[in-house]
Amino acid sequence: AQSVAQPEDQVNVAEGNPLTVKCTYSVSGNPYLFWYVQYPNRGLQFLLKYITGDNLVKGSYGFEAEFNKSQTSFHLKKPSALVSDSALYFCAVRDLGGFKTIFGAGTRLFVKA
Amino acid sequence: GAGVSQSPSNKVTEKGKDVELRCDPISGHTALYWYRQSLGQGLEFLIYFQGNSAPDKSGLPSDRFSAERTGGSVSTLTIQRTQQEDSAVYLCASSSSALSAYEQYFGPGTRLTVT
Repeated sequence: AQSVAQPEDQVNVAEGNPLTVKCTYSVSGNPYLFWYVQYPNRGLQFLLKYITGDNLVKGSYGFEAEFNKSQTSFHLKKPSALVSDSALYFCAVRDLGGFKTIFGAGTRLFVKA
Repeated sequence: GAGVSQSPSNKVTEKGKDVELRCDPISGHTALYWYRQSLGQGLEFLIYFQGNSAPDKSGLPSDRFSAERTGGSVSTLTIQRTQQEDSAVYLCASSSSALSAYEQYFGPGTRLTVT
């Protein structure tokens, strides 16, 4: 069965510093991987996805994620955090043959000025 | 263009009552999903529809929950005999297709409170 783990409930980082939000996954085959963000009082928004090809995926708002097949990870990164990046981030996975997307529990990111 | 809309935005109901939650997906999107987000929890998959295919109901937590999608567009999630543990935010999402790696577009959610 598919599963997604976000090992950190919360990540704290100072503005201007690099940030990483971790995600590991488990699927029976090759995965589709996604990151979504939920800002306070706003709906979930798509950030980026990995389907195939280049392991480094670039997305919205300067975020990127690195797919690592051997470690079954898809960590979200940004070189320089902004206070406005503070939000709840969800990693999600779907296997190529499936239709159901499984979401992680979410990681709350706090960026301090 | 118009995004996914959900109504009502908030619903307070008494335990034991039935509720209906509505979702209007993005026009042309064939896939529609329902999720539940409880306080401090991630997204729990409930059900998805893809075109005219039979829906995947594997995530519905009990037979009190049901959903339908009329004309391949609007969807209604019905919860019968609501319980306090049903209190959560119910999110609807749509995508171009469930058959590929299309991202999902989420509505603002319906916050359900069962008293």
